Amino acid sequence: QSVLTQPPSVSAAPGQKVTISCSGSSSNIGNNYVSWYQQLPGTAPKLLIFENNKRPSGIPDRFSGSKSGTSATLGITGLQTGDEADYYCETWDGSLSAGVFGGGTKLTVL
Amino acid sequence: QVQLVQSGAEVKKPGASVKISCKASGYTFSSYAMHWVRQAPGQRLEWMGWLNAGDGNTKYSQNFQGRVTITRDTSASTAYMELSSLRSEDTAVFYCARDRLPKRITYSHDYWGQGTLVTVSS
Repeated sequence: QSVLTQPPSVSAAPGQKVTISCSGSSSNIGNNYVSWYQQLPGTAPKLLIFENNKRPSGIPDRFSGSKSGTSATLGITGLQTGDEADYYCETWDGSLSAGVFGGGTKLTVL
Repeated sequence: QVQLVQSGAEVKKPGASVKISCKASGYTFSSYAMHWVRQAPGQRLEWMGWLNAGDGNTKYSQNFQGRVTITRDTSASTAYMELSSLRSEDTAVFYCARDRLPKRITYSHDYWGQGTLVTVSS
């Protein structure tokens, strides 16, 4: 079990928008930056969002991040079949003194 | 361009140790921390620890404390992760992942190795 809670799965049609939540506590999300990763089947994770809402160069603006209190959200607009992947949030947890990942969310583009 | 290239797949018996390498190129190795992440089949990512490639300092997750050792060879721009007392639950893909900022620990990783599958089986 992870200290960061994500929905196991989300789905939406091509072209639509989807949001993925990551819920934590004051010891992690509430006081630290959140990153988001995309993991396509059989590949290494790829950084999508850092510092809650910033995109590395090369990441399209269809991907966005936000944080409020002890929860963070990844948004993806204009869904494409190539977006089908597992998505993970990550942050630092001060109580555990460790990096922590969410349980992951599988995105299906119907 | 930044690349992290990991060593190949391993098969180990329970109780044995495994040491995985992660060779970095395309940047100043000693300027960035290197993290290690475990992913069991079909499971979530799990942070194991980090190495300050500059001074060799390390920090490990309590979940792996006492079993994991992360080291480096700066002359070879390579980080290593050794996991001991292997059990079947350690069957997983292990990734090295560079911290995003130089000389800082951000728990945000911009480059990842391709992963190394370790199978623990008698």
